[in-house]
Amino acid sequence: DTEVTQTPKHLVMGMTNKKSLKCEQHMGHRAMYWYKQKAKKPPELMFVYSYEKLSINESVPSRFSPECPNSSLLNLHLHALQPEDSALYLCASSTGSTNEKLFFGSGTQLSVL
Amino acid sequence: QQQVKQSPQSLIVQKGGIPIINCAYENTAFDYFPWYQQFPGKGPALLIAIRPDVSEKKEGRFTISFNKSAKQFSLHIMDSQPGDSATYFCAASKDTGRRALTFGSGTRLQVQP
Repeated sequence: DTEVTQTPKHLVMGMTNKKSLKCEQHMGHRAMYWYKQKAKKPPELMFVYSYEKLSINESVPSRFSPECPNSSLLNLHLHALQPEDSALYLCASSTGSTNEKLFFGSGTQLSVL
Repeated sequence: QQQVKQSPQSLIVQKGGIPIINCAYENTAFDYFPWYQQFPGKGPALLIAIRPDVSEKKEGRFTISFNKSAKQFSLHIMDSQPGDSATYFCAASKDTGRRALTFGSGTRLQVQP
């Protein structure tokens, strides 16, 4: 299994809602990532978890809250988002020792109304 | 500060042509240079990668050329096909310190039948 599975595929939420994005991989990877991608732009790193510990936070606003319950799962909790947060949110994983060979999921297309 | 500059922004070639996408980097500590391919509605997928100890790497129809002294690398797609139509991102990272990938701005490739 070389897949990174993300749910939901699409999400529409209001600015006062609380929602969560989920990501799962069963490749035994020990590093997991959240990226944000705006249309026609490259992915922008948000968070990196290495061995279930947060290792990189790219100064992301606190309305985005990551969680890594175990080595296979990664969540991104969303609260009080702004319309400018609308984007494709990508999860990725790699072996824990290096960021080579990132495997990306298909993403969650988020719209904030 | 953009650390990986990618060009062109978009590219149209005929089937069988050889599109070439170029990237230049600034940080001499970078030692891993992957290319990712992204189709609409999907996450990026690793296509091919190179380290600076070699000047060229081929995998199927895809070739990376690397010029360490010029701090440039490029992707060549031999015998391009309409199925190669996608957005291509170059990236760079280093194996020490902060290991996260730095992406180029992307090139939208269209291969016409």
